[in-house]
Amino acid sequence: AQTVTQSQPEMSVQEAETVTLSCTYDTSESDYYLFWYKQPPSRQMILVIRQEAYKQQNATENRFSVNFQKAAKSFSLKISDSQLGDAAMYFCAYRTEAGGTSYGKLTFGQGTILTVHP
Amino acid sequence: AAGVIQSPRHLIKEKRETATLKCYPIPRHDTVYWYQQGPGQDPQFLISFYEKMQSDKGSIPDRFSAQQFSDYHSELNMSSLELGDSALYFCASSLAGMASYGYTFGSGTRLTVV
Repeated sequence: AQTVTQSQPEMSVQEAETVTLSCTYDTSESDYYLFWYKQPPSRQMILVIRQEAYKQQNATENRFSVNFQKAAKSFSLKISDSQLGDAAMYFCAYRTEAGGTSYGKLTFGQGTILTVHP
Repeated sequence: AAGVIQSPRHLIKEKRETATLKCYPIPRHDTVYWYQQGPGQDPQFLISFYEKMQSDKGSIPDRFSAQQFSDYHSELNMSSLELGDSALYFCASSLAGMASYGYTFGSGTRLTVV
């Protein structure tokens, strides 16, 4: 079974600074997808960024980028120019590329609470 | 753009009662997933449906059942409620063949069992 580990229960950053959230995962599969989700106090789950395992290029979405190291099974999220609105719980998630009609469930890490200080 | 709609947003039930949570996926999405998130915990997968048939099953108690209807909406039925069932229940939907895009989550139903 796949597992996702976020070793940082809490992180903090000053506004306008950069912060990196860590995520490692364990899988025996070669094709899969990785995601970072943001969960603000409203508890809504919001997709931040995604990465296909077959792509070597790291994904980037505006101020959010990832460092995907497939061999090391590492998938960290970098938030640049942090804003107060970035404060939230961040979940790393893994999804298998299941074949046929079964599309794999998301397996989540434990989450990292990010605090942004003004 | 249309999102995943969950109802009700909040629900308070007493122990041993029954609750029904509803989920309306994004139009044309054919796959629905249910997750349970306890306080301070990560979401745990319960069950999923593809084209109205159960496609995967996670840590769903036998007291819970779910189905997907012909219009693709889904309902999660929870019986003999226990205090430990108090949680945020998410529904998410996706389109088969678009696995790389992840899911779109609803806003969740907060169930409180007293």
